[in-house]
Amino acid sequence: AQSVTQPDIHITVSEGASLELRCNYSYGATPYLFWYVQSPGQGLQLLLKYFSGDTLVQGIKGFEAEFKRSQSSFNLRKPSVHWSDAAEYFCAVPKGSSNTGKLIFGQGTTLQVKP
Amino acid sequence: DVKVTQSSRYLVKRTGEKVFLECVQDMDHENMFWYRQDPGLGLRLIYFSYDVKMKEKGDIPEGYSVSREKKERFSLILESASTNQTSMYLCASSLWGQGARGYSPLHFGNGTRLTVT
Repeated sequence: AQSVTQPDIHITVSEGASLELRCNYSYGATPYLFWYVQSPGQGLQLLLKYFSGDTLVQGIKGFEAEFKRSQSSFNLRKPSVHWSDAAEYFCAVPKGSSNTGKLIFGQGTTLQVKP
Repeated sequence: DVKVTQSSRYLVKRTGEKVFLECVQDMDHENMFWYRQDPGLGLRLIYFSYDVKMKEKGDIPEGYSVSREKKERFSLILESASTNQTSMYLCASSLWGQGARGYSPLHFGNGTRLTVT
């Protein structure tokens, strides 16, 4: 069965430092993979997605993620974190037929940014 | 820009009340979803609808029902609210995916924080 795990519940980084959020997935075939971000008081917004092709995917707000099949991982990275990046981040994989758009979400990682 | 609007930002209800959470999207999306968000558990799918009057149970449908009489509106109903239904509820919509086009991103509302006392 498909599943996704985010090992880190909370991460704190200093503003300007680099960031990596971990995501491990379990999926039968070549996966579709997503990262969503939820800013305080907001709904979720799509950061980036991987469907196929280049394993390094660029997203919005300066984020990128790398698909590594051998490690079953899709880690999110940003070279220099800004205070406005403080939010909760969710990794997700599809559930069932591709037509439905249903996703399975990880538990989420809360990012705190220190000044 | 897709807009998904949830009618209430905060709701406080009493145990046993019937509760309606409303969601409207303005982009003619086929798919609509209700998720529940709890700390440490991520988002869990309650119900899904891919067309008017069509619905499908998600992972945690117990204690909930839904209604989709019009394409743009998807309502979540708590028939008899209980304290364990205190949570953040998120509505989302997306296009019906087609083969190679794959998944269409979910567009989320800002959520309704429901407290049942």
